[in-house]
Amino acid sequence: GIQVEQSPPDLILQEGANSTLRCNFSDSVNNLQWFHQNPWGQLINLFYIPSGTKQNGRLSATTVATERYSLLYISSSQTTDSGVYFCAVERSGGGADGLTFGKGTHLIIQP
Amino acid sequence: EADIYQTPRYLVIGTGKKITLECSQTMGHDKMYWYQQDPGMELHLIHYSYGVNSTEKGDLSSESTVSRIRTEHFPLTLESARPSHTSQYLCASSEYRSGAGGYTFGSGTRLTVV
Repeated sequence: GIQVEQSPPDLILQEGANSTLRCNFSDSVNNLQWFHQNPWGQLINLFYIPSGTKQNGRLSATTVATERYSLLYISSSQTTDSGVYFCAVERSGGGADGLTFGKGTHLIIQP
Repeated sequence: EADIYQTPRYLVIGTGKKITLECSQTMGHDKMYWYQQDPGMELHLIHYSYGVNSTEKGDLSSESTVSRIRTEHFPLTLESARPSHTSQYLCASSEYRSGAGGYTFGSGTRLTVV
């Protein structure tokens, strides 16, 4: 199956700092999503971004499909940004095979 | 506003009991999924469905079963719960057409078997 690797695995930052999270994947994809999982376990969809660049407030994401990686940028971090960020992909040509998740980046924003 | 609903949100149950985790979506999506997640770990696919009367096993072996009698409803059943089933279970749905859009997840059910 497709492999998804996220880096860094853990990240501790001060409030106001900027960060870049990376997701590498091993095969062509027709779906890539970034999620934020809050301390209550809820998965919040941040971006649906199989290719290109998108921005939503302080967050933005870029996927370079030809080079099989995606980046999530968080600017001016706030304590509420803490949690686990997951990258998930769906392999091209699959029917309903589902999303394959990376192990996540555990982000802690300190006040 | 959530378009995919899971109940219960939390469940503590004794060993040997039969349980059903409910999942419903109002988006008319054909594809639905169940994922299992241990605390702090990645999500693993345990079941999925292309549509009514379609069910398939996912990458992670699970003793649970699912059914899809209606498009909007995709319940998961454990016939005899064990402590090893303690985990979070997340339901998701998406449109059938490849690349048509992303997956939407429910809030999850946190199951503890004692």
